[in-house]
Amino acid sequence: LAKTTQPISMDSYEGQEVNITCSHNNIATNDYITWYQQFPSQGPRFIIQGYKTKVTNEVASLFIPADRKSSTLSLPRVSLSDTAVYYCLVGRNTDKLIFGTGTRLQVFP
Amino acid sequence: DTGVSQDPRHKITKRGQNVTFRCDPISEHNRLYWYRQTLGQGPEFLTYFQNEAQLEKSRLLSDRFSAERPKGSFSTLEIQRTEQGDSAMYLCASSFGPDSNQPQHFGDGTRLSIL
Repeated sequence: LAKTTQPISMDSYEGQEVNITCSHNNIATNDYITWYQQFPSQGPRFIIQGYKTKVTNEVASLFIPADRKSSTLSLPRVSLSDTAVYYCLVGRNTDKLIFGTGTRLQVFP
Repeated sequence: DTGVSQDPRHKITKRGQNVTFRCDPISEHNRLYWYRQTLGQGPEFLTYFQNEAQLEKSRLLSDRFSAERPKGSFSTLEIQRTEQGDSAMYLCASSFGPDSNQPQHFGDGTRLSIL
């Protein structure tokens, strides 16, 4: 299963756009890229998933270059409530998920 | 709310005792997963079921751990003779499978503390 590399932590201020990049050099042809958000004492919450190019939903955008060896989660205009750990995963949703240590995003007022 | 439900949310027990956790998945989901998460780490896969069949078990799942999903609906995870190292958050997730690529949906976990 493909492993991912993402920054350990990031800081931002309210109202800014935050981009978290994830590397997944060994992604397989049938793997999807999925991002989860986790708050303390809660389970991970699905944010967005994509296979190639760009995906956008009501909370985030996901940019995937043609070679699919990396991806970028974009959070527009973050607020304090976006302070959380963000996990990038690659694989198939029907398989076991392989989490890394994630990126701790801290949003300051 | 029709999300994944886990019970209890917190469990404190003495070393050597047995504990059992319950997970109720989203009703139409036929796949159910158990993960374990320790402080500062991402969740680690333990086992998963499709309907009532347990299809895969991690090496993390020692012989003190047993999981069941008797009727293909709720699942239980039992830990016998608990040890200090079992202290963790135990997370349950569910999804459609095997052909759907819908994401796994997680419950909020059971936090186990071993005294």
